[in-house]
Amino acid sequence: RKEVEQDPGPFNVPEGATVAFNCTYSNSASQSFFWYRQDCRKEPKLLMSVYSSGNEDGRFTAQLNRASQYISLLIRDSKLSDSATYLCVVDNYGQNFVFGPGTRLSVLP
Amino acid sequence: NAGVTQTPKFQVLKTGQSMTLQCAQDMNHNSMYWYRQDPGMGLRLIYYSASEGTTDKGEVPNGYNVSRLNKREFSLRLESAAPSQTSVYFCASSEETGEGIYGYTFGSGTRLTVV
Repeated sequence: RKEVEQDPGPFNVPEGATVAFNCTYSNSASQSFFWYRQDCRKEPKLLMSVYSSGNEDGRFTAQLNRASQYISLLIRDSKLSDSATYLCVVDNYGQNFVFGPGTRLSVLP
Repeated sequence: NAGVTQTPKFQVLKTGQSMTLQCAQDMNHNSMYWYRQDPGMGLRLIYYSASEGTTDKGEVPNGYNVSRLNKREFSLRLESAAPSQTSVYFCASSEETGEGIYGYTFGSGTRLTVV
């Protein structure tokens, strides 16, 4: 089993739609969780951290379920500019990060 | 505020040639990392350095060496390039909190092709 798994996508959604991405991780000792965004041919950039209580940043909501080792990202009112690959990231015993393979999102006009 | 700077941005090597990828950060971060990214594989850790003077292997270290020259700089060397090392290479650094490392800042990447 891979350490971090994600829906492979691609997700093609119309503008204004709500879309959710799922991620599962295998290391039950992991303490830090993040979502990164990567645009085509660019470096990954931090989108948001994921906290145990769940957290929201504008149109983006992240949830963590430690018991199920599951992380989600919800995007509401999708914009064309949200088109990118979304990477689920989990820490590896606090020493480095393990990245999921990414889920590609295309928001269509 | 440069953040993390990687050079070169593009490189084509012949099989067997050597080269060094350079990385420097100006955020006073202790930890630095080298990842490679291949289609469908995600980012995989090659080597990392938790502090100046220390380096550790990641998931895919074979064929690579690293040097943490000082706190700012962390270089990645390919001694004898192979076509399997064709990839996009990212350097990153991170700050630490009392509970571990916080999010990475990445450089803009090096696109390496080995022919």
